[in-house]
Amino acid sequence: DAMVIQNPRYQVTQFGKPVTLSCSQTLNHNVMYWYQQKSSQAPKLLFHYYDKDFNNEADTPDNFQSRRPNTSFCFLDIRSPGLGDAAMYLCATGLPNNEQFFGPGTRLTVL
Amino acid sequence: GQNIDQPTEMTATEGAIVQINCTYQTSGFNGLFWYQQHAGEAPTFLSYNVLDGLEEKGRFSSFLSRSKGYSYLLLKELQMKDSASYLCAVNDYKLSFGAGTTVTVRA
Repeated sequence: DAMVIQNPRYQVTQFGKPVTLSCSQTLNHNVMYWYQQKSSQAPKLLFHYYDKDFNNEADTPDNFQSRRPNTSFCFLDIRSPGLGDAAMYLCATGLPNNEQFFGPGTRLTVL
Repeated sequence: GQNIDQPTEMTATEGAIVQINCTYQTSGFNGLFWYQQHAGEAPTFLSYNVLDGLEEKGRFSSFLSRSKGYSYLLLKELQMKDSASYLCAVNDYKLSFGAGTTVTVRA
């Protein structure tokens, strides 16, 4: 089935140790998004790719980077995770101005 | 900036109807989405309104009034599995989400 896949589902890292979260899609959508969601809060958009064009939200910390090597894959790199970065990270895909399809998320724990 | 408001929590009885309101003030508007999110899971799409009026999809309906900056999600014939968070999201070149309304369905 066409879908959005995120790996790993659960990630534990140490304070300051770089971590990479991955997302892949079989929907062939132009746009891929990364959101951060903390408990009982709304998903917060970090950045998105429109094809290869990277769009960073103004308030996304420099600690967060992203790569999209091809249409299917997108990565979220957290260079030096802090305790405040513990959250659920959601990847979503979509066509412009259309509904977004979310992956199952990666829950990040920072020790 | 974007301002999207919805109630924090609602409780209803199995078989009943619940209406979740969402008001928004955004710099642009290109449609409003409702998503359902169960605890620890990703949001799943429920409905999309871009024109004023009511969209019905089975037990769920969504209404939009662009002039009032207002939408609601109506859940009918509530089932226990409907206990979840319901997120209102406005599309303005990107999705801006409300904080979500946690609906608890009691037997």
